[in-house]
Amino acid sequence: DTEVTQTPKHLVMGMTNKKSLKCEQHMGHRAMYWYKQKAKKPPELMFVYSYEKLSINESVPSRFSPECPNSSLLNLHLHALQPEDSALYLCASSQDPPDTQYFGPGTRLTVL
Amino acid sequence: AQSVAQPEDQVNVAEGNPLTVKCTYSVSGNPYLFWYVQYPNRGLQFLLKYITGDNLVKGSYGFEAEFNKSQTSFHLKKPSALVSDSALYFCAVDTGFQKLVFGTGTRLLVSP
Repeated sequence: DTEVTQTPKHLVMGMTNKKSLKCEQHMGHRAMYWYKQKAKKPPELMFVYSYEKLSINESVPSRFSPECPNSSLLNLHLHALQPEDSALYLCASSQDPPDTQYFGPGTRLTVL
Repeated sequence: AQSVAQPEDQVNVAEGNPLTVKCTYSVSGNPYLFWYVQYPNRGLQFLLKYITGDNLVKGSYGFEAEFNKSQTSFHLKKPSALVSDSALYFCAVDTGFQKLVFGTGTRLLVSP
């Protein structure tokens, strides 16, 4: 099973709201990733967790706050977002790189 | 820096004809190369990868790719295209630092 699940599928939020995106995998993968994808563009890496520790932060604004509660879960906490943050947010997981990254279906985020 | 290039924004092919989606790479050291496909409003699905070994890599859904070191290419191919193959295709390279770097993507349109 190579499934990564993400909730919610769609999210609409105002600029003053606080919300969270959730990602889960049960493949025993030790690395988990957050990507942001704008329409018709490739995914852009935001964060990488390796063995539940943040290993990469691609200079993402602090209004995005990742959290890895355990080896199967990854959250992305959102606060005071801007309309330009509207995008598809993708979660992925892998064993030790350069192993294949498996992606979830994404959360379509709209910031009003 | 590790990078991949997809020179074609769009590829058009008739159903039943062979298809090729091009990718060239620029890496130092051994390249770890991947192909992903994305259907509208969906996450990325893994198709195949080249790590080492046989230059012809077979993947999901009848796709294959040929690693060519002298031409620094990793073109995606399929002998007979289906209308359902119409999607956005991304080539990617693992940089060796837990990062996947994606090409700009190629839209494949298969006409009936």
